[in-house]
Amino acid sequence: GAVVSQHPSRVICKSGTSVKIECRSLDFQATTMFWYRQFPKQSLMLMATSNEGSKATYEQGVEKDKFLINHASLTLSTLTVTSAHPEDSSFYICSARRDLRGNEQFFGPGTRLTVL
Amino acid sequence: AQSVTQLGSHVSVSEGALVLLRCNYSSSVPPYLFWYVQYPNQGLQLLLKYTSAATLVKGINGFEAEFKKSETSFHLTKPSAHMSDAAEYFCAVTHSGGYQKVTFGTGTKLQVIP
Repeated sequence: GAVVSQHPSRVICKSGTSVKIECRSLDFQATTMFWYRQFPKQSLMLMATSNEGSKATYEQGVEKDKFLINHASLTLSTLTVTSAHPEDSSFYICSARRDLRGNEQFFGPGTRLTVL
Repeated sequence: AQSVTQLGSHVSVSEGALVLLRCNYSSSVPPYLFWYVQYPNQGLQLLLKYTSAATLVKGINGFEAEFKKSETSFHLTKPSAHMSDAAEYFCAVTHSGGYQKVTFGTGTKLQVIP
């Protein structure tokens, strides 16, 4: 149990376009979902935290108008990179938390975004 | 405030040798600690976690870690390295009490030499 999926796994887009990445908890309801960004050979940097039905909480330095997060249901959160630029190329990973008591996060397989 | 320090961004061991990946944490409250493994172009997989129960924690794939409060450490070990252990390993810290942010270390890349 506790499987998290992401779609797409890889995406290549032109500069200036928008890209949507989906994160789904397949066999549980996620009270909270998280979006991370990972640059090559670096650790995960938390971008934002989203709770179903409420606005996402963004980390300092993350542009909320550029990285739009929607958490419409307890099993789905989406990250939209708007007007993507080459510097947005990265590995984006989502995770989901099953309940408020547990602190374990279940990670998706990640999405490799390349902006040309 | 909380933080994690992983000593050694790269560790090389021979196949069959002991694996030791170091993690030291800083936390103002009792921590929860995790070790994750990441294979290339994949997400993170939980190896093991410490949540204030037994200080010696056993995880998957033969890994274990010991929580040492006096040393603020949570080092990951495996008695005998296997080629399939080659990956990136991340130590992470959070703490109890509702939602708390998880802070990751910078990672240690483990190379296993045949």
